[in-house]
Amino acid sequence: EAGVTQSPTHLIKTRGQQATLRCSPISGHTSVYWYQQALGLGLQFLLWYDEGEERNRGNFPPRFSGRQFPNYSSELNVNALELEDSALYLCASSLNKPYEQYFGPGTRLTVT
Amino acid sequence: AQSVTQLGSHVSVSEGALVLLRCNYSSSVPPYLFWYVQYPNQGLQLLLKYTTGATLVKGINGFEAEFKKSETSFHLTKPSAHMSDAAEYFCAALDYGGNNRLAFGKGNQVVVIP
Repeated sequence: EAGVTQSPTHLIKTRGQQATLRCSPISGHTSVYWYQQALGLGLQFLLWYDEGEERNRGNFPPRFSGRQFPNYSSELNVNALELEDSALYLCASSLNKPYEQYFGPGTRLTVT
Repeated sequence: AQSVTQLGSHVSVSEGALVLLRCNYSSSVPPYLFWYVQYPNQGLQLLLKYTTGATLVKGINGFEAEFKKSETSFHLTKPSAHMSDAAEYFCAALDYGGNNRLAFGKGNQVVVIP
């Protein structure tokens, strides 16, 4: 069974640009979660999508947004990039048990 | 909001010695509890989890953790460290009630000394 996949592996953008990160959950999983792992800040919850709807949001500005598609894959968009957005962005998926979140390998976003 | 505390960002342990990583959670109602491991340039791999039932939880790679409600703790141990245990370890908690967000500790970078 394939695990959670994320693309791209690395992404380099300049300040002010937009970044789009993608996540494909484990087959059959309907929930997708996004976490940010920034240097010095640790792992922080960003967003939770389930059945195409945003269910919960962490303490991040509105320029962090996303969506979940009918096939349950998800996209994270970061607008007006700032240097401090440089981080590893991890996606996780689960079925109907939130205590079984399986993580992907992450996308490394670098903002210059 | 739930918070998780891990003391000591870097932990050095000799090969063959006990690995002990400490984790404390903040809520009065015990949450679900987890330990994850992260190898360089990789995502998070679940080592073990506590949901309900037995308070001593066994995980992969010889790790185990004990939930102690009275101490609001979920410390991770391994009797004998191996070189392959060098990685970063994160304790996490998930509250009941539907917000589904994992709250992570700051992590412990484990260095194994040969």
